[in-house]
Amino acid sequence: KAGVTQTPRYLIKTRGQQVTLSCSPISGHRSVSWYQQTPGQGLQFLFEYFSETQRNKGNFPGRFSGRQFSNSRSEMNVSTLELGDSALYLCASSRTDRDTQYFGPGTRLTVL
Amino acid sequence: GENVEQHPSTLSVQEGDSAVIKCTYSDSASNYFPWYKQELGKGPQLIIDIRSNVGEKKDQRIAVTLNKTAKHFSLHITETQPEDSAVYFCAASIRETSGSRLTFGEGTQLTVNP
Repeated sequence: KAGVTQTPRYLIKTRGQQVTLSCSPISGHRSVSWYQQTPGQGLQFLFEYFSETQRNKGNFPGRFSGRQFSNSRSEMNVSTLELGDSALYLCASSRTDRDTQYFGPGTRLTVL
Repeated sequence: GENVEQHPSTLSVQEGDSAVIKCTYSDSASNYFPWYKQELGKGPQLIIDIRSNVGEKKDQRIAVTLNKTAKHFSLHITETQPEDSAVYFCAASIRETSGSRLTFGEGTQLTVNP
């Protein structure tokens, strides 16, 4: 079974731009969660989607948003990028919102 | 909200020795505790998890113990090998109310010297 895939793997943007990251969960998984990983803050929860509904949201500003499609694929969007948004963005999928999460390889975002 | 502390931040062992990483959590309602291994350039990989109705779980060279009273859990790796070198993260969640939301520890850089 294919794992979680994330596109693109690397991205360079400038301050003020916006970015959209994509995540395809493991086949049959309906829950997708997003995390931000930085050297200073570690792994922090962004939000979780289950059956196209946002179930949980972390403590991030409204510039961070996401959505989930009927095929369980998910996208997250960051608007008005700041230098501090440079991070590895990880997507994790699980069969339901109470099952084991499996992570993708991440998207490395660099904001210049 | 939940807070997870992880120690040590770095751990260096000789091949064949055992390694122990410890985590404490703050919310007594937490009932699910996974451990992830992250290699350079990759996403975290689940290596073992434990639920609060179990005190210990073992999978070959890896074991996890949970002490609910003290609110701490530990990862034990025996007979370490160079390929065990990576960053290890503990995490906690409350399955019924938090869904898939995981709160992670700060990570432990494990180095196994040949």
